[in-house]
Amino acid sequence: EIVLTQSPGTLSLSPGERATLSCRASQSVSSSYLAWYQQKPGQAPRLLIYGASSRATGIPDRFSGSGSGTDFTLTISRLEPEDFAVYYCQQYGSSPPFTFGQGTRLEIK
Amino acid sequence: EVQLVESGGGLVKPGGSLRLSCAASGFTFSSYSMNWVRQAPGKGLEWVSSISSSSSYIYYADSVKGRFTISRDNAKNSLYLQMNSLRAEDTAVYYCASGVRALDYWGQGTLVTVSS
Repeated sequence: EIVLTQSPGTLSLSPGERATLSCRASQSVSSSYLAWYQQKPGQAPRLLIYGASSRATGIPDRFSGSGSGTDFTLTISRLEPEDFAVYYCQQYGSSPPFTFGQGTRLEIK
Repeated sequence: EVQLVESGGGLVKPGGSLRLSCAASGFTFSSYSMNWVRQAPGKGLEWVSSISSSSSYIYYADSVKGRFTISRDNAKNSLYLQMNSLRAEDTAVYYCASGVRALDYWGQGTLVTVSS
């Protein structure tokens, strides 16, 4: 089973700043099958990034994904007030389980 | 517009059973794999189970294997999760989710509480 470890657990930043979230896998993940989700309180998760670096429909270009192998990154270039939420990475390759990371909470400083 | 609507959650005693349903609309349900993902109160997301478009491939997380059964009815555009031998640690919001690229589409979730 592939274990995904996200860091930091909590990130405190101000609007306008740049956010860098990390997702590290216990073994190599095909880049085609690494996704990032955003979840706000009381809401279902929303797909942001798939295939490690492709933005989902309607996602602003301030969100970008990168990485390969075991190290992946979600970057938010300039934080907007609505970006403060919890972010999860997920691997959904050919073999289950399709694990999630434990999440990074992005909070307003 | 894609819609996934879960139902069937509620309060159940440990050892009891519950059947969740997910009604899909706005896309060709029979062409998509479907998934159940759960979230315990205040915790992160946990993938639970997946079923391929024709039900040929079915997968479970180790935490639910042997107790939960996923199924689908393509004629009714519906996904199901039969949950038996429920435990306190199964308490969570259960989401159905699907998509082409990853989990593009999510329902609003249904809460399952396992407590005596």
